[in-house]
Amino acid sequence: QVQLVQSGAEVKKPGASVKVSCKASGYTFTSYGISWVRQAPGQGLEWMGWISAYNGNTNYAQKLQGRVTMTTDTSTSTAYMELRSLRSDDTAVYYCARDPDYYGDFDYWGQGTLVTVSS
Amino acid sequence: EIVLTQSPATLSLSPGERATLSCRASQSVSSYLAWYQQKPGQAPRLLIYDASNRATGIPARFSGSGSGTDFTLTISSLEPEDFAVYYCQQRSTLSTFGPGTKVDIK
Repeated sequence: QVQLVQSGAEVKKPGASVKVSCKASGYTFTSYGISWVRQAPGQGLEWMGWISAYNGNTNYAQKLQGRVTMTTDTSTSTAYMELRSLRSDDTAVYYCARDPDYYGDFDYWGQGTLVTVSS
Repeated sequence: EIVLTQSPATLSLSPGERATLSCRASQSVSSYLAWYQQKPGQAPRLLIYDASNRATGIPARFSGSGSGTDFTLTISSLEPEDFAVYYCQQRSTLSTFGPGTKVDIK
């Protein structure tokens, strides 16, 4: 069965960086993209960006350009999302999702990783 | 950026009633629109993709319609487990989500 398992919760200080992992299993990793979506407490969903697990191509949401980097390691079927220069409004649950259709129709999701940014 | 607007913000209904949720895009997204359901403490679940196609395992009481800028998610007869927040998402130009519609128990 398809599973996306994310790394555990993080607490970071403003200005720091965080790197969240997402390990995929149950399907051919390089046949799908991975999108990252975040959700601030009590708020809606925000698409952060996409990476092709096939060739590493990326597309990021404009508001995060320059602060976010998405990568994959095909040898371990793991995707990573690094966010730099953290601010308090980056506090959110971060989800990875399997992306079969370029930026949409996310059919499997990770369990979410809470990132708290606080001094 | 394509902006999605959902209405109403909250829909208060009883089990067995019909729910009609709306999603409007600031410009045409063709049929590149999906709907998700999210319950507290859970990841979203894909319900509908490409405006009208039910995802695997989604009950037939969920249906989607529309194209261009106006879309509708209909739940024909609400079950107790359907009370949740529903989001639309476009993938015509990168991706954006709507703000959500909460369906709660009247």
